[in-house]
Amino acid sequence: GAVVSQHPSWVICKSGTSVKIECRSLDFQATTMFWYRQFPKQSLMLMATSNEGSKATYEQGVEKDKFLINHASLTLSTLTVTSAHPEDSSFYICSARDPSGGVYEQYFGPGTRLTVT
Amino acid sequence: GIQVEQSPPDLILQEGANSTLRCNFSDSVNNLQWFHQNPWGQLINLFYIPSGTKQNGRLSATTVATERYSLLYISSSQTTDSGVYFCAGGGGFKTIFGAGTRLFVKA
Repeated sequence: GAVVSQHPSWVICKSGTSVKIECRSLDFQATTMFWYRQFPKQSLMLMATSNEGSKATYEQGVEKDKFLINHASLTLSTLTVTSAHPEDSSFYICSARDPSGGVYEQYFGPGTRLTVT
Repeated sequence: GIQVEQSPPDLILQEGANSTLRCNFSDSVNNLQWFHQNPWGQLINLFYIPSGTKQNGRLSATTVATERYSLLYISSSQTTDSGVYFCAGGGGFKTIFGAGTRLFVKA
């Protein structure tokens, strides 16, 4: 159980275009979802936290107008990178958790590798 | 915010050796997890361990919440154990990651 999927697994786009990444919890309801980005040989950096039906909470330094997050249902969150530039190229990973029962374990998707040319 | 420190940053082992990875937190956490990131980037859940001790095969973990640290033990290491090990935790809704321990197990 506790499977999280991401789509697409990789994407190449031209500078100035927008890209949408989907994150789904397949076998549980995720009241909270998280978006991380990871540069090569570095750790995961939290970008934002989203709760179903609420606006996302962004970490300091993350542009909310550039990285649009929508958590429309208990099983789906989307990250849209708007007007992408080469410096946005990175590995984006989502995670989800259902803290019912007081357990805060997070489950991660397989990640999306974004390359902006 | 909470700071997460992992040690050692890099570790090279001969196959069959044992190792201990450490994770220190700057403040109390109510959730703590250990992950293994495989070569394709997928994070594999190893342990959810805000306190106490757990074991799963050759891996075990111990968290001493009052002293704000956690340990991951790998026994009889295998080449397939190679990769990056992360600990992560937080005091509320957030989960913050440490920098990771990069493990290479030689055959």
